[in-house]
Amino acid sequence: NAGVMQNPRHLVRRRGQEARLRCSPMKGHSHVYWYRQLPEEGLKFMVYLQKENIIDESGMPKERFSAEFPKEGPSILRIQQVVRGDSAAYFCASSPQPSGIRYEQYFGPGTRLTVT
Amino acid sequence: DQQVKQNSPSLSVQEGRISILNCDYTNSMFDYFLWYKKYPAEGPTFLISISSIKDKNEDGRFTVFLNKSAKHLSLHIVPSQPGDSAVYFCAARDLNTGNQFYFGTGTSLTVIP
Repeated sequence: NAGVMQNPRHLVRRRGQEARLRCSPMKGHSHVYWYRQLPEEGLKFMVYLQKENIIDESGMPKERFSAEFPKEGPSILRIQQVVRGDSAAYFCASSPQPSGIRYEQYFGPGTRLTVT
Repeated sequence: DQQVKQNSPSLSVQEGRISILNCDYTNSMFDYFLWYKKYPAEGPTFLISISSIKDKNEDGRFTVFLNKSAKHLSLHIVPSQPGDSAVYFCAARDLNTGNQFYFGTGTSLTVIP
């Protein structure tokens, strides 16, 4: 059973370009979470999605950031017009159902975004 | 506003001894706590969890203690092994939101052979 997959692992973008980060959850998981880790900080929640629905986007900046989890295919985190402050590691996690007492979130290896 | 705090950025322990990693939180609505372990260039890996209705949970060499009155969480690793060297994050879930985990900033553990 493959784990959570993220690609690309490393992404370099110039200021003003768009960044697209992909996440394929574990087989059988229909809930996806995106986190961002800035240097020297912990992981910060961005958005929680189920198939075709955004459930909680309270941690996502209102501008330039969007996320989707289509019926088919991976979840996508899109950052438009990237700025240097977007440079960070972006982690995706999945769970088989809303995280409760018995289920934890399984993390992918992350995408390291560098904005030059 | 950092609701989960790990005040020790690093910790060094001799192999075979006990490692104690600490975590403090401010939100009394947190009902579920987890510890994750992270190696460089990898995602966090779930280690152990504890519900707020308990004060201790043990899994092999790993034990998590919860002191709700002090809003304090600790992870004990005994005996420590060189392979335990990693960054450890504590995380907590808010009963009200349920969807997101709040992470601490991590403690880098080095186990010296």
